[in-house]
Amino acid sequence: NAGVTQTPKFRVLKTGQSMTLLCAQDMNHEYMYWYRQDPGMGLRLIHYSVGEGTTAKGEVPDGYNVSRLKKQNFLLGLESAAPSQTSVYFCASSWQTYTGELFFGEGSRLTVL
Amino acid sequence: TQLLEQSPQFLSIQEGENLTVYCNSSSVFSSLQWYRQEPGEGPVLLVTVVTGGEVKKLKRLTFQFGDARKDSSLHITAAQPGDTGLYLCAGGGNYQLIWGAGTKLIIKP
Repeated sequence: NAGVTQTPKFRVLKTGQSMTLLCAQDMNHEYMYWYRQDPGMGLRLIHYSVGEGTTAKGEVPDGYNVSRLKKQNFLLGLESAAPSQTSVYFCASSWQTYTGELFFGEGSRLTVL
Repeated sequence: TQLLEQSPQFLSIQEGENLTVYCNSSSVFSSLQWYRQEPGEGPVLLVTVVTGGEVKKLKRLTFQFGDARKDSSLHITAAQPGDTGLYLCAGGGNYQLIWGAGTKLIIKP
């Protein structure tokens, strides 16, 4: 069982460069999420999706864009990376929103120089 | 704004000892989840509590939801090195889960 798969696992960018993180889930979940995790700050929601073709802003959406063209995939884009976006990014999916169990990927560590 | 505060932030104890970590808020939550995260991995759900006063046990781990549904605790009996990890609580908010910053637990053999 693959569950939730994130690519790439590690990436180093220079300020101003762009990149896309890919999340794929094979559990047929409707809901998908992108979080960032920084030391001492817990998980912060960037964007989320309640179904194919839908996206919504979370707690910290600025500087990020997302797309969900297929139910199993949720893409997170950084158009012009900044050092403040250095973080570990987690994708998650769930059957239910807000109270349902979240299934997480292994994370993608991004460093912006 | 709903916030969840976890304490302590860091705990290092010897194998065999008991411990309790806390998750507190001034807000009421419809449910509360506890996750454990190991280095280099994503969080994994341990338990969900939904009723005020509810107690759930998972082997040596005991989870309690406060009567007013504003706080929760996790008690580990006879801690083992395999319990090492980051313990995160998350409360069901208005449209998303509200996450605590976590308690980093190290169990020394």
